[in-house]
Amino acid sequence: QQQVKQSPQSLIVQKGGISIINCAYENTAFDYFPWYQQFPGKGPALLIAIRPDVSEKKEGRFTISFNKSAKQFSLHIMDSQPGDSATYFCAASMKAAGNKLTFGGGTRVLVKP
Amino acid sequence: NAGVTQTPKFQVLKTGQSMTLQCAQDMNHNSMYWYRQDPGMGLRLIYYSASEGTTDKGEVPNGYNVSRLNKREFSLRLESAAPSQTSVYFCASSDPLGGYEKLFFGSGTQLSVL
Repeated sequence: QQQVKQSPQSLIVQKGGISIINCAYENTAFDYFPWYQQFPGKGPALLIAIRPDVSEKKEGRFTISFNKSAKQFSLHIMDSQPGDSATYFCAASMKAAGNKLTFGGGTRVLVKP
Repeated sequence: NAGVTQTPKFQVLKTGQSMTLQCAQDMNHNSMYWYRQDPGMGLRLIYYSASEGTTDKGEVPNGYNVSRLNKREFSLRLESAAPSQTSVYFCASSDPLGGYEKLFFGSGTQLSVL
């Protein structure tokens, strides 16, 4: 049973376009929602994260939107660049469970020049 | 600044063989983790260690054992490898970032079990 469901599995976007990745979760006890970025042959690295007391967080071209009532959160990559081509994972954790992360299935993003 | 170092990078095993994946971190982190990555399944936690001397099962621990040798090192052992254990394995260590864990991952070990 996957507690964090991520879609789509893959995404192709033109340079300058917007990439949107969605995640949905079941457990309302989750209280931390990070996104990790992974380049081929490398381990994932923390990209951006949000807590449920805010609805949006922006860092450069990356924005997380959070909808607590719908139990959904999404990553928007504005002005997508070829260097953004990577696999993106959403995740969730809760303090009550020792902050261990539960990851979504991943989205492979390809930005075409 | 090495971060998290995993060895080996690639390994091919025959069914029933055993092996140990090594992991070391130089960031003085208390917590360390072993994940496996499979297509469409994301990263699934195998075992973790919240501090030196402690280990706990994660989501998919069957067929694996771990050892937290000291604060720096956390190894993963496959006693009798099975084809279902073909995967990419990642070790990670974490730093509490404002009360939440920020994970630092190694570059992974690609394991094939024939």
